[in-house]
Amino acid sequence: NAGVTQTPKFQVLKTGQSMTLQCAQDMNHNSMYWYRQDPGMGLRLIYYSASEGTTDKGEVPNGYNVSRLNKREFSLRLESAAPSQTSVYFCAGARTGGYEQYFGPGTRLTVT
Amino acid sequence: DAKTTQPPSMDCAEGRAANLPCNHSTISGNEYVYWYRQIHSQGPQYIIHGLKNNETNEMASLIITEDRKSSTLILPHATLRDTAVYYCIVRVASPPGANSKLTFGKGITLSVRP
Repeated sequence: NAGVTQTPKFQVLKTGQSMTLQCAQDMNHNSMYWYRQDPGMGLRLIYYSASEGTTDKGEVPNGYNVSRLNKREFSLRLESAAPSQTSVYFCAGARTGGYEQYFGPGTRLTVT
Repeated sequence: DAKTTQPPSMDCAEGRAANLPCNHSTISGNEYVYWYRQIHSQGPQYIIHGLKNNETNEMASLIITEDRKSSTLILPHATLRDTAVYYCIVRVASPPGANSKLTFGKGITLSVRP
């Protein structure tokens, strides 16, 4: 039981490049989330998926797109990376209406 | 969701109880209090949550005042591995089928000293 996994762990992009951050969970969670965390700040919600087939914007969705591929997988795409997107990205999962969110280990992204 | 206020930092000695305060004076009757923590470079970790009554699990105890305007997370015997940022979050209970997104503030940094 791996919990919530994220790939890659580290990534360096040049401005304008695109990439997809992958997240998968084997905990049968209905809801999944993408957060970003910048130095000295708390976590901010980018997008979430309350259930398979649905996605909604969070606090800071600009510059990102998401896909809920199936119940297990929720990916985050940066179409044209900008230095302002340098951050640590966390994926999380939860039961529908559940109070406990389980987080992955994070992806550390640097955009130069 | 109600706003929470936490001091920016505190410390305690290893082996002693760590009492982390949180103020949520605008909490509504149907809002729960959650605590998460984030150890350096790791993803956040759920600790405990409660509505009215005090709660205890293997990690911590949560004490909520009778008027529910504040709460305290207690780590009974802090260890060096408990050094982390602790987040107090207040949110409404989700009915079945609704989302359960959390809003994280800046939290309180707990430093456990040897």
